Amino acid sequence: DTEVTQTPKHLVMGMTNKKSLKCEQHMGHRAMYWYKQKAKKPPELMFVYSYEKLSINESVPSRFSPECPNSSLLNLHLHALQPEDSALYLCASSRTGDPGNTIYFGEGSWLTVV
Amino acid sequence: EDQVTQSPEALRLQEGESSSLNCSYTVSGLRGLFWYRQDPGKGPEFLFTLYSAGEEKEKERLKATLTKKESFLHITAPKPEDSATYLCASQGGGSQGNLIFGKGTKLSVKP
Repeated sequence: DTEVTQTPKHLVMGMTNKKSLKCEQHMGHRAMYWYKQKAKKPPELMFVYSYEKLSINESVPSRFSPECPNSSLLNLHLHALQPEDSALYLCASSRTGDPGNTIYFGEGSWLTVV
Repeated sequence: EDQVTQSPEALRLQEGESSSLNCSYTVSGLRGLFWYRQDPGKGPEFLFTLYSAGEEKEKERLKATLTKKESFLHITAPKPEDSATYLCASQGGGSQGNLIFGKGTKLSVKP
C-alpha cells in the first residue's frame, strides 16, 4: 500500500465551483509533487515543493493553485476549471527534491469537471 | 532533448510465458531510471530504481536491468495478476522532480 494518501478519491465539480485536493505523507519526505494524468497517457509534472517552498511550476494555469502547509501536507486548490481539466491528479513525494531520489505516488484523485 | 521510448506498446502473454519489456532512453547525465506498475484507475506503484549501467534488481517474478542506452524489465513465469501497464521513467541531473516517462507497455497475462 502506498504511504501517500490522497483525498477525495473522486470529485465532480462544476466550472464555477471552488474545491481542493488534499495529500498527506508520513515518510519524512521533504519534496512533494503534483502530477496530472490523462487517460492512456503518462503522468505530467505540474508543481514541485521542496522543503515547503514551491520550486517548480510547469507553466500551469492559475486556476490551479498549490499550497504546502507543512512538510507532510500538500493541497491543490481548484477554481474555474474547464472540462478539459478532467483527469487523474497524482500527489507524490520523495526524500528530497534532488534528482535520483525515488518518487512515490499516491492512488490519485479522479476529477471530473462538468 | 531527454526522451524515453517503451516497446512494445502492448504485450499479451500466456500464464507462465516469460518475456521482456524494453525502455530506451536518452538523457543528459542520468541520475535514475525508474520502473513503475500502474493498474487501471490507480496511481503508479514503484517497482525499481536503477542508477548505473550493469545494475540489476529483482522482486518476485520481475527483474530490471540497465545498460547505457536501455533498460529491460524481465518477467519470469507471469501470472494473471501481473497484468498492468508498466511505466519506465528517467531523471537527469537538471530535472528536479521531472520524471521523463515513456508511454508505457500494457501487459495482459491470460490464464
